[in-house]
Amino acid sequence: EVVMTQSPATLSVSPGERATLSCRASQSVSDNLAWYQQRPGQAPRLLIYGASTRATGIPARFSGSGSGTEFTLTISSLQSEDFAVYYCQQYNDWPPLTFGGGTKIDIK
Amino acid sequence: QVQLRESGPGLVKPSETVSLTCSVSGDSVSSSYWSWVRQPPGKGLEWIGSIYYTGTTIYHPSLKSRVTISEDTSKNQFSLRLTSVTAADTAVYYCGRPLHRHSHWLWAFDIWGPGTVVTVSA
Repeated sequence: EVVMTQSPATLSVSPGERATLSCRASQSVSDNLAWYQQRPGQAPRLLIYGASTRATGIPARFSGSGSGTEFTLTISSLQSEDFAVYYCQQYNDWPPLTFGGGTKIDIK
Repeated sequence: QVQLRESGPGLVKPSETVSLTCSVSGDSVSSSYWSWVRQPPGKGLEWIGSIYYTGTTIYHPSLKSRVTISEDTSKNQFSLRLTSVTAADTAVYYCGRPLHRHSHWLWAFDIWGPGTVVTVSA
């Protein structure tokens, strides 16, 4: 099973600042990596797939990078609606499809 | 657009079987891939399993002995059956569909239902 590890667990950021989230895979997943945003009480929302391709309707302030085992999600200028939990997920080697433990962005 | 909605009993007793249904609109269960993902309270996401439009299923190895996913094309629904439940199965259960781009299926989920809560308690 490919283990996905996200860091940090919590990130405190002020509105308008940049946020950088990390995701590490226990083995190479090529670029078969997705990022999701989950707000309280809501289902996850796909932000990025293919490590760097924004999903339909996702604002340009969200960007993804990386390949192999190291990935980054960057939010260039945090808006109020971006304070949420973010998950990475690999779909390169499965079953099982696996998710990271999440990074919570809260208001500094 | 494609919409999913889960339904289920809410409360289940330990050792019993829980059955959940995902109703699909805007797509056909017989022409796509479908999945179940769960999230225990305050925790992360766990993929449970998927069903292909051919009827082929694939499950999380840790749940394989207790899980069955099936589809009902007449109702345009697919279902999850989980046997011998314990408190560890308490979670929000989501149904989802993977991304379809350029005639390829990418196993990132762009369509999700709102989720249904399952609580296992006596």
